[in-house]
Amino acid sequence: EVQLVESGGGLVQPGRSLKLSCAASGFTFSNYYMAWVRQAPKKGLEWVATISTSGSRTYYPDSVKGRFTISRDNAKSSLYLQMNSLKSEDTATYYCARLNYNYFDYWGQGVMVTVSS
Amino acid sequence: DIQMTQSPASLSASLEEIVTITCQASQDIGNWLAWYQQKPGKSPQLLIYGATSLADGVPSRFSGSRSGTQYSLKISRLQVEDIGIYYCLQAYSAPLTFGSGTKLEIK
Repeated sequence: EVQLVESGGGLVQPGRSLKLSCAASGFTFSNYYMAWVRQAPKKGLEWVATISTSGSRTYYPDSVKGRFTISRDNAKSSLYLQMNSLKSEDTATYYCARLNYNYFDYWGQGVMVTVSS
Repeated sequence: DIQMTQSPASLSASLEEIVTITCQASQDIGNWLAWYQQKPGKSPQLLIYGATSLADGVPSRFSGSRSGTQYSLKISRLQVEDIGIYYCLQAYSAPLTFGSGTKLEIK
């Protein structure tokens, strides 16, 4: 059974940093692109970052480019999201998701990040 | 960026009724379209990918179709467990973009 379990969320002040983690199991992690998707409270879904199988290629929307960094450790079957210079508009539930032909086919339960002073 | 215009924003329908939700892409995305269901308090679940292919474990009352750059999700006989918010996703090019969502309720 595919499982994705996020951790590392919480309350953080504007301008500070936070690192999210996602532990994957139930599939060969190193064979799949992985991604982060977020959802602001009562809002829709927004793609945040994608990483290739080896980690050599990463992709971001303009809204987070230069502030967020996606990475992975295939030996640990883990995905990460380093978030710097956080803004109030980054407040959201962050989901770890597996990519299959550009579709998010499995999602974690999500982790809440609140950016507030 | 490719815009996905989803309609309606909300929908109230009776049990066993046929329900249709649509997404209009701002440019050609071929069949690179997926549909997701998000039940209250849960993470999204993949229903349809490739515009028309049913994901594993999804009931056959769900189906997807395409006409040009307009995509539709049909629920053939609405059930109680189908309530939630439905999103389309264009997977053709980065940035991957979602529709704004359709909130489905039982009348």
